[in-house]
Amino acid sequence: NAGVTQTPKFRVLKTGQSMTLLCAQDMNHEYMYWYRQDPGMGLRLIHYSVGEGTTAKGEVPDGYNVSRLKKQNFLLGLESAAPSQTSVYFCASSLITDTQYFGPGTRLTVL
Amino acid sequence: GDSVTQMEGPVTLSEEAFLTINCTYTATGYPSLFWYVQYPGEGLQLLLKATKADDKGSNKGFEATYRKETTSFHLEKGSVQVSDSAVYFCALGNSGGYQKVTFGTGTKLQVIP
Repeated sequence: NAGVTQTPKFRVLKTGQSMTLLCAQDMNHEYMYWYRQDPGMGLRLIHYSVGEGTTAKGEVPDGYNVSRLKKQNFLLGLESAAPSQTSVYFCASSLITDTQYFGPGTRLTVL
Repeated sequence: GDSVTQMEGPVTLSEEAFLTINCTYTATGYPSLFWYVQYPGEGLQLLLKATKADDKGSNKGFEATYRKETTSFHLEKGSVQVSDSAVYFCALGNSGGYQKVTFGTGTKLQVIP
């Protein structure tokens, strides 16, 4: 039982490049989330999903897109990376009204 | 909207000292309250939670009591260890179509031998 996994762990992009972060969970959770963590700001919700095929905007969605084609996977895309998107990204999953379980994070640097 | 305020860090304590990290919240309805811990280089993991007023959450020697009258959920531990060095996040959860969790900014704890 791996829990929540994220790939890659680290990535460096140039401004304007694109990339996709993958989150996978093996706990059969309905809900999945993408957060970003910046110094002094806690975690902020980017997008979330309440089930396969559904996505919704969180607190800071601009510049990101997501997809949930399979229940166990939640993808976060950056179409044209900007330095302001330098951050640590965390994926989480949960049952409908329960504790969120977090992945180990992806550290992204945009030059 | 919902918000969580927790004490600024970093907090530096000697091993076996008493720990308190303050957390207060503003929320509509009846939220659940959480403390998450983040060890260096890792994701957040749940430390403890309380789902209603006067509930006490506890785990690994840490405790926090859900105080509705003071809108607080302070984290305490009687005797900290070096292995407790981490960042601690207070959070509240409100169901509103999804499990919306609002996090505090985190408090870094460093325990020295």
